[in-house]
Amino acid sequence: KQEVTQIPAALSVPEGENLVLNCSFTDSAIYNLQWFRQDPGKGLTSLLLIQSSQREQTSGRLNASLDKSSGRSTLYIAASQPGDSATYLCAVEWRSQGNLIFGKGTKLSVKP
Amino acid sequence: NAGVTQTPKFQVLKTGQSMTLQCAQDMNHEYMSWYRQDPGMGLRLIHYSVGAGITDQGEVPNGYNVSRSTTEDFPLRLLSAAPSQTSVYFCASRGTASGANVLTFGAGSRLTVL
Repeated sequence: KQEVTQIPAALSVPEGENLVLNCSFTDSAIYNLQWFRQDPGKGLTSLLLIQSSQREQTSGRLNASLDKSSGRSTLYIAASQPGDSATYLCAVEWRSQGNLIFGKGTKLSVKP
Repeated sequence: NAGVTQTPKFQVLKTGQSMTLQCAQDMNHEYMSWYRQDPGMGLRLIHYSVGAGITDQGEVPNGYNVSRSTTEDFPLRLLSAAPSQTSVYFCASRGTASGANVLTFGAGSRLTVL
């Protein structure tokens, strides 16, 4: 069965720290992997998309890497800020049909 | 504004009632999908569609029906609502052109079944 796992489920850090969120997936034959952010009571906002042929993507203070052979992706957040507090979700698309499988997310809290 | 529009935002139903959650996108996206989000369970795929006239089941399709008569619309029908269908429902879409694979979500529809 194709599954996506995110560790840890929750993370609390002081402002300014660099941090890494982890995502693992079964079956390395993926089409793409996306990282999303979700604020409480809100919808999902796409942060980064990594195609199967890519190793990483960067946007501002965010960097996502992909290692298909080990079935892992990491989201690196540099110089964290209280505004980064949210739930971060990893999702994998194995076939190009728009049908993503999501991990359960990591709830991040950045303390001032 | 371009995007995915879901209606209604909130709905309360009694057990056994039926209803339709509407989803429309104006980005000419081929792929559309419905998810439900429950505490501790994450987002789970209900149904998805790769184009008008084509739909398929996801992880949790039971109790739900979909159709895709146009590229823009992808309604989700609850045939006979049950308390287990209390959830937040999200519709999403994406294009197929190179560089257009980002999944865009609607704001969600919160459904309570009493």
